[in-house]
Amino acid sequence: QKEVEQDPGPLSVPEGAIVSLNCTYSNSAFQYFMWYRQYSRKGPELLMYTYSSGNKEDGRFTAQVDKSSKYISLFIRDSQPSDSATYLCATLTVNDYKLSFGAGTTVTVRA
Amino acid sequence: DAGVIQSPRHEVTEMGQEVTLRCKPISGHNSLFWYRQTMMRGLELLIYFNNNVPIDDSGMPEDRFSAKMPNASFSTLKIQPSEPRDSAVYFCASSLLEDIQYFGAGTRLSVL
Repeated sequence: QKEVEQDPGPLSVPEGAIVSLNCTYSNSAFQYFMWYRQYSRKGPELLMYTYSSGNKEDGRFTAQVDKSSKYISLFIRDSQPSDSATYLCATLTVNDYKLSFGAGTTVTVRA
Repeated sequence: DAGVIQSPRHEVTEMGQEVTLRCKPISGHNSLFWYRQTMMRGLELLIYFNNNVPIDDSGMPEDRFSAKMPNASFSTLKIQPSEPRDSAVYFCASSLLEDIQYFGAGTRLSVL
């Protein structure tokens, strides 16, 4: 079993819809939770990260971490065609270096 | 900040040839990572350097793969001899204090 599970999708939504992406993880020692966005033929780009539980908002993006259920979420409000990409969740323990990545969810926002 | 810089962006070579991928990490970062990404296996960590010293190379698939970091601003990943199954996108990433990693644009390798 992988340490981080993520539904690869694909997910297709109309422009303006809310995109909801989720991951589950198994290692309760994880403390950092990240979302990377990867456009086609580009490198992963750090979108957001949170430390421990809670919510973090940045513009149209909201990241949530529920450590009690080992659940990570990313919400994209008012989605735009430019949000079409693969979104990867990743986790990290403090004083470690090995990122554990989910498989990535491919999102298409239709104009 | 120029970010992590990788070269070349694309490499096409024939089986048996030596391939060298290059990476310049973000200035001031002390950790450097090499990853390989394929559709089947996703992102896999190949090797991790801290302060130019290889700390964990357990992800290097075979002895055909080697990596060096002669100084804080340069690293190479070498495959010799290359095989078709090495075809993938190779990413370099760097971080400060082993937390958030920033990725380069990657090198797309095709071994024919």
